[in-house]
Amino acid sequence: AQTVTQSQPEMSVQEAETVTLSCTYDTSESDYYLFWYKQPPSRQMILVIRQEAYKQQNATENRFSVNFQKAAKSFSLKISDSQLGDAAMYFCAQIKDAGNMLTFGGGTRLMVKP
Amino acid sequence: DAGVIQSPRHEVTEMGQEVTLRCKPISGHNSLFWYRQTMMRGLELLIYFNNNVPIDDSGMPEDRFSAKMPNASFSTLKIQPSEPRDSAVYFCASSRVSGNTIYFGEGSWLTVV
Repeated sequence: AQTVTQSQPEMSVQEAETVTLSCTYDTSESDYYLFWYKQPPSRQMILVIRQEAYKQQNATENRFSVNFQKAAKSFSLKISDSQLGDAAMYFCAQIKDAGNMLTFGGGTRLMVKP
Repeated sequence: DAGVIQSPRHEVTEMGQEVTLRCKPISGHNSLFWYRQTMMRGLELLIYFNNNVPIDDSGMPEDRFSAKMPNASFSTLKIQPSEPRDSAVYFCASSRVSGNTIYFGEGSWLTVV
């Protein structure tokens, strides 16, 4: 069975600063995909970034980057130059293979202070 | 391209009434997922379809819940009879079977009073 754990229920960051959200997962698969989704108050689930487990290079999308440590089964999200619009719930998720289901962590609420 | 389209966006209904939630996946996507989000249980997978065939419905809470996918462009999630504990945000999501990224609709907020 797959499990995804986010140990930080809440985080806060000062505007323009950098924050890192933690995520660990457990899987027996060798090939899988990891995701971070953002959920603002509107409740829409927005894909932030994706990482393929077979790629050693960490994924980057503008101000968002990940630190993927496969051996440690760790997948953290770094948000640089935090903006007020980054305030949201962030969910870490894993998919075993194509066409299969996402397993989500419990989420981290990020607050951005002006 | 249009994203995953869900309707209704908001629904308030009385206990005992039938509720039908609708979803149109992204064109070309052949996997469809129904998720439920509550404060207590977070995001839970209810059921998913590949090529219109239900693959895993182990997350469907009980017989009051049913889901269908009559064709590649439409799915429904029905609750009959509805109960207050069914109040949640219900998400539909889709992906390609050969793909590895799942895209979500905006959700249907259900309140059962």
